Amino acid sequence: NAGVTQTPKFQVLKTGQSMTLQCAQDMNHEYMSWYRQDPGMGLRLIHYSVGAGITDQGEVPNGYNVSRSTTEDFPLRLLSAAPSQTSVYFCASNRLGQGTYNEQFFGPGTRLTVL
Amino acid sequence: KNQVEQSPQSLIILEGKNCTLQCNYTVSPFSNLRWYKQDTGRGPVSLTIMTFSENTKSNGRYTATLDADTKQSSLHITASQLSDSASYICVVSALNTDKLIFGTGTRLQVFP
Repeated sequence: NAGVTQTPKFQVLKTGQSMTLQCAQDMNHEYMSWYRQDPGMGLRLIHYSVGAGITDQGEVPNGYNVSRSTTEDFPLRLLSAAPSQTSVYFCASNRLGQGTYNEQFFGPGTRLTVL
Repeated sequence: KNQVEQSPQSLIILEGKNCTLQCNYTVSPFSNLRWYKQDTGRGPVSLTIMTFSENTKSNGRYTATLDADTKQSSLHITASQLSDSASYICVVSALNTDKLIFGTGTRLQVFP
């Protein structure tokens, strides 16, 4: 099992450029999510998905789009990059179900800088 | 408002010493509490997960405690090692939701 993989590991963009951060998991998890991590702040949820074809907004969704065409993949798209989107992005996955140990597995992260 | 607060923000200890990290939360209704370890440049990795009925859980040299009445948790690290240098994040889940509330973490540095 590769777990949760993310590409690229590092990326530098200019303001206004668009790009897609890739995320894949091979654990057949229903739930996938994207977070951003900024200094002095806890991880903040951007978007999440409870299964293929279903996505929803998290705490900070503006400027980002997602889609979930398969169980394995959950790409995050930046439509028009802004300096405020400079951050470290983590993808995570877990099984669904309250009251169970739905341990969340994180990818290694993508460090994005927007100039 | 659902919040998770951790203390201290940062901590420096010598190798071999013990330490305790604190987590207070206001999440309600409570479902479970997790502690994660995040090494520099890596994603968080789960250490323990506890539901309201569990008040202690261990994972090697890591022992987490939970007091659901006072809404407090602690993570105790025994006989620290250099590899324990990392950020430790407390995360709380509310009942009937799959969303998690993250603390800002405690940055632990272990020196020889």
